[in-house]
Amino acid sequence: GEDVEQSLFLSVREGDSSVINCTYTDSSSTYLYWYKQEPGAGLQLLTYIFSNMDMKQDQRLTVLLNKKDKHLSLRIADTQTGDSAIYFCAESKAAGNKLTFGGGTRVLVKP
Amino acid sequence: NAGVTQTPKFQVLKTGQSMTLQCAQDMNHNSMYWYRQDPGMGLRLIYYSASEGTTDKGEVPNGYNVSRLNKREFSLRLESAAPSQTSVYFCASQIGDTQYFGPGTRLTVL
Repeated sequence: GEDVEQSLFLSVREGDSSVINCTYTDSSSTYLYWYKQEPGAGLQLLTYIFSNMDMKQDQRLTVLLNKKDKHLSLRIADTQTGDSAIYFCAESKAAGNKLTFGGGTRVLVKP
Repeated sequence: NAGVTQTPKFQVLKTGQSMTLQCAQDMNHNSMYWYRQDPGMGLRLIYYSASEGTTDKGEVPNGYNVSRLNKREFSLRLESAAPSQTSVYFCASQIGDTQYFGPGTRLTVL
């Protein structure tokens, strides 16, 4: 079956880097996503990576994928108070397929 | 271009009451989804629709029904609400690699 796991909570100081980790069990996962949810809002896609990639960088965001260990991480450089949110990782087998989400990591950025 | 819209934003029901959550998208997407979000459990898929006229069960379909009325609209119905259905409900539509989410409906069943 499919399972996606994340730690529940991360606290980080403003200006530091944040690293949010995710593990998944299904080796046939093809697309791996990071979504951000701000309070009272829906989910917003931040970035995604194909399973044949090791790394993807997009401005302050860096995604690392270790396919052997089925481990995905999201690094946010120079974390700001506006980065405080819940971050979800998700996986799917193919473009257009349904997603399986992790439980979410609540990130709190302290000034 | 409003994206994905959901109504209502908030709803309180008594056990046994019925209601329909509405979702619409104006992006001409084929696939639409209904999720529920509970603390610490992420989003769990209730039902999805890969195209107009088709619907399929997700991970937690019991107690719910759906209708894909047309390409734009995908509604979720609770026939007899139970306290276990207290949750935040999200609708999403998808094209290619990306799902776009609505703002959610917060439902409380007393």
